[in-house]
Amino acid sequence: AQSVAQPEDQVNVAEGNPLTVKCTYSVSGNPYLFWYVQYPNRGLQFLLKYITGDNLVKGSYGFEAEFNKSQTSFHLKKPSALVSDSALYFCALNDYKLSFGAGTTVTVRA
Amino acid sequence: DTAVSQTPKYLVTQMGNDKSIKCEQNLGHDTMYWYKQDSKKFLKIMFSYNNKELIINETVPNRFSPKSPDKAHLNLHINSLELGDSAVYFCASSQESGVNEQFFGPGTRLTVL
Repeated sequence: AQSVAQPEDQVNVAEGNPLTVKCTYSVSGNPYLFWYVQYPNRGLQFLLKYITGDNLVKGSYGFEAEFNKSQTSFHLKKPSALVSDSALYFCALNDYKLSFGAGTTVTVRA
Repeated sequence: DTAVSQTPKYLVTQMGNDKSIKCEQNLGHDTMYWYKQDSKKFLKIMFSYNNKELIINETVPNRFSPKSPDKAHLNLHINSLELGDSAVYFCASSQESGVNEQFFGPGTRLTVL
């Protein structure tokens, strides 16, 4: 069965510092991996996806993610975090349906 | 123009009542979904429709009945509401296939008293 795990419930960083949100996955075939962000009282917004090809994927708002097949990971990164990046981040894996991780709350302090 | 819209945004009702949530997308997508987000923010798919046909039904109680009158609409009707149905319900849409990202509506917060 497919699954994703986000090992950290919360990530706290200072503005201007690098931000990393971790995600690991388990799937029998080729993984289709996604990152979504949810701001308070809003729906989810798509950030980026890995389907195939280059392991470094660039997305919206300066975010990128690195697909690592040997470590079965797909960590989300941003070189310099902004206060406005504070939100709930979901990693997701699509086999025949989209399965979400539990979410990681990111707080960026000024 | 809102890509995926849901009505109502908030729904407060008594146990045992029947209620509906409507969803519309203007993106021309052929697949639509309903998700439930619980109080711990866990997100789980409930249903998926492709071209008005049900393709995913994730062991949801049969009190929940989705209806897709056309490709652009997917409504959710809930009978005999229970306290445990309180959650935020999200509609989403995408082009078919797992490689395409989904676009989410703003959510409907359902509170059952």
